[in-house]
Amino acid sequence: EDQVTQSPEALRLQEGESSSLNCSYTVSGLRGLFWYRQDPGKGPEFLFTLYSAGEEKEKERLKATLTKKESFLHITAPKPEDSATYLCAVQGVFNNDMRFGAGTRLTVKP
Amino acid sequence: NAGVTQTPKFQVLKTGQSMTLQCAQDMNHNSMYWYRQDPGMGLRLIYYSASEGTTDKGEVPNGYNVSRLNKREFSLRLESAAPSQTSVYFCASSDREYNEQFFGPGTRLTVL
Repeated sequence: EDQVTQSPEALRLQEGESSSLNCSYTVSGLRGLFWYRQDPGKGPEFLFTLYSAGEEKEKERLKATLTKKESFLHITAPKPEDSATYLCAVQGVFNNDMRFGAGTRLTVKP
Repeated sequence: NAGVTQTPKFQVLKTGQSMTLQCAQDMNHNSMYWYRQDPGMGLRLIYYSASEGTTDKGEVPNGYNVSRLNKREFSLRLESAAPSQTSVYFCASSDREYNEQFFGPGTRLTVL
């Protein structure tokens, strides 16, 4: 069964303090790995899709990377507006489900 | 474009009552999905519709039914609500199955 584990559950950073969020996954054939951002009381907002090990994608202060067992979301010099819950999900080739992790709640203090 | 819209935003039901959650998208997407989100458990797929005229069960379908009314609309029905169905429900759509999904704002449902 496809599984996704995200760590840490919560992360508090000072503005400008760079860090990384981890997404470990097990899947029988990866079709795609997805990162979403979710603000309180709102639906998830799509950030990135990664398809194969070694792939990287960037958007503003965020950079997502992928290996065969995990993905990292690197946040460089974060700002308070980056505070949100970040969700990771995998789509396997043998399942119709997209399996989500429980998320990492990021708080960036000014 | 409104994207994905959901109604209602909030709902309180008594055990045994029924209700339908509505979802519509204006992005001409083929695939639509219903998820529930519970604290500490992440999003779990209830049902999905890969294309107009088809529906399939997801990870947690028990107690729910769905209808793909047309390409734009996908409804979720609770026939006899139970307290275990207290959750936040999200509808999503994608242009094709397996592609990135776009989510609505959610419906917060409480079953007493």
